[in-house]
Amino acid sequence: GENVEQHPSTLSVQEGDSAVIKCTYSDSASNYFPWYKQELGKRPQLIIDIRSNVGEKKDQRIAVTLNKTAKHFSLHITETQPEDSAVYFCAASSGWGNKLVFGAGTILRVKS
Amino acid sequence: DSGVTQTPKHLITATGQRVTLRCSPRSGDLSVYWYQQSLDQGLQFLIQYYNGEERAKGNILERFSAQQFPDLHSELNLSSLELGDSALYFCASSPWTGKRIFNYGYTFGSGTRLTVV
Repeated sequence: GENVEQHPSTLSVQEGDSAVIKCTYSDSASNYFPWYKQELGKRPQLIIDIRSNVGEKKDQRIAVTLNKTAKHFSLHITETQPEDSAVYFCAASSGWGNKLVFGAGTILRVKS
Repeated sequence: DSGVTQTPKHLITATGQRVTLRCSPRSGDLSVYWYQQSLDQGLQFLIQYYNGEERAKGNILERFSAQQFPDLHSELNLSSLELGDSALYFCASSPWTGKRIFNYGYTFGSGTRLTVV
């Protein structure tokens, strides 16, 4: 079955710097790759997603890139702010309407 | 409010007991997914329902069961509870319509924090 690996497990950056989180997936049939942000004690919230027919997607300060050949995708956050501090999860899904398989999560700390 | 409603928010119970967690998906969403999140662990998939039918099972223990009712709400039943079952249980719903066109992200509920003592 699908396996998603996520790196790094923790990331500390200075406010205003960029942060990059990387994920690799194992199932070449995966076609949907969302990213979720989870603040302490709260529910995971979808922040951006990308489908397999697109190589890059951007929404203000966040962007996601997908390399299908290498089977990896990355989240880029620019101009980080303290409120970006949270746990970020990548996920992948293959087929249609199937479960999301999540990475282990990255704790992002933005220091002001 | 995400539109996905989970009750109760907190549950404290003793080992060996049985509990039921309830989830109402966003209006119009036919797919419901249950995930378990333990301390220091990610989101582990338990089970999926689509329009009342079980669609996929993950690492769900035999002591756990679930169902989705005709009004699309879902219940997760956990029995013979053990200390290790203490976790945050999330329900999520998706607007996937059964068509092989798009996949969609989930909307998660706020979760039920289960503490087994």
